[in-house]
Amino acid sequence: QVQLVQSGAGVKKPGASVKVSCRASGFTFTDYYLHWVRQAPGQGLEWMGRINPNTGGTHYAQKFQGRVTMTRDTSVGTGYMELTSVTSDDTAVYYCARADSGSYVVWFAPWGQGTLVTVSP
Amino acid sequence: QSVLTQPPSLSGAPGQRVAISCTGSSSNIGSGYDVHWYQQLPGTAPKLLIFGNNNRPSGVPDRFSGSKSGTSASLAIAGLQAEDEADYYCQSYDDSLSAWVFGGGTKLTVL
Repeated sequence: QVQLVQSGAGVKKPGASVKVSCRASGFTFTDYYLHWVRQAPGQGLEWMGRINPNTGGTHYAQKFQGRVTMTRDTSVGTGYMELTSVTSDDTAVYYCARADSGSYVVWFAPWGQGTLVTVSP
Repeated sequence: QSVLTQPPSLSGAPGQRVAISCTGSSSNIGSGYDVHWYQQLPGTAPKLLIFGNNNRPSGVPDRFSGSKSGTSASLAIAGLQAEDEADYYCQSYDDSLSAWVFGGGTKLTVL
């Protein structure tokens, strides 16, 4: 079935970088855009950016510009999201989600199961 | 402060009908961008509930319906059931931010 499987939870120290992976199965990885969304504990959903797995082209939310990098490895159908210089404010569950196209009216389905990243000294 | 505004919480008795509002502005919903809705059960990832303002993915009961007018949208749940207790989020696109945006979420409690 169509699904996205993410890497496991992790703990990082302030100032470190974190890299989360998202492996696609059940569909052609390069036919769909991959978005990243995060959710801080007890908070709502926050869009971080997207990548076109076919071209590698990216579009990041202004808040994360300069600190986030989204990449992909088409040989293994996997997308990656790396966030640098993390602080306690980056403690959150990070989700990847598939979008049907590059248009502005897209919805997200399915979603990965989420990866909890905890930033703690 | 979310770009799309939802009531933080709502409650209803089993069998009742509830509606969750999502208010935007001229740079998102008011610009004609579609609104989509997600259901997030406790401890799980969000799941698509309504896409393109009023369309249900396969498997979503017809008790769930969506609508959009002007700068706002609404998710209605008829015949409320215990398993509908969850957080609900609206989502659209904002062209002044050049970003996809979410509402702050509404926690629905079934009494």
